[in-house]
Amino acid sequence: DSGVTQTPKHLITATGQRVTLRCSPRSGDLSVYWYQQSLDQGLQFLIQYYNGEERAKGNILERFSAQQFPDLHSELNLSSLELGDSALYFCASSAPGTPYEQYFGPGTRLTVT
Amino acid sequence: GNSVTQMEGPVTLSEEAFLTINCTYTATGYPSLFWYVQYPGEGLQLLLKATKADDKGSNKGFEATYRKETTSFHLEKGSVQVSDSAVYFCALSHGSSNTGKLIFGQGTTLQVKP
Repeated sequence: DSGVTQTPKHLITATGQRVTLRCSPRSGDLSVYWYQQSLDQGLQFLIQYYNGEERAKGNILERFSAQQFPDLHSELNLSSLELGDSALYFCASSAPGTPYEQYFGPGTRLTVT
Repeated sequence: GNSVTQMEGPVTLSEEAFLTINCTYTATGYPSLFWYVQYPGEGLQLLLKATKADDKGSNKGFEATYRKETTSFHLEKGSVQVSDSAVYFCALSHGSSNTGKLIFGQGTTLQVKP
């Protein structure tokens, strides 16, 4: 158990819909990262937040947005969903000073039908 | 841009065999290099890291040496166990030191048979 929690574990929704994925980092970690894992694209960095502020951005679509709240939990919002958005979405967190030593949650599997 | 290339899997070995999973990278500057492991149904876990050329990272019997001259970071283990069956990802750090952006390879599946 990494200490990072993600909800829900599974999500099935239809094209055009909007969903919210939630992540709680390990106690004491200030950074949260979101990744998308799919068969064709592999594991892709989406976005990083540090203590409530956006720190780094990857190949995140404009239809996707994220935020980190004062209690440090984070949400990833995916809108106007397409079939190609079906993937495993991971959240990770890291302690201050060790940004690349990331602890991953179990992931949310999103299926868009 | 920065990228990581891993050998294609799956790699199938018998228990106690020697393991090598190749990883090469393309990067500007001097990135840190990592191996992460993903066991079935779980998130990734950091296995080992190396932060500069000629550093050797090691953990749980796995080793990898940061070779700048060949831009490689191959993962090795002398004697694999069934419990090592997992997907292994090579990764490099990207960007300034105050971000945690990792670029991952495509992953290599290891299957160890008893």
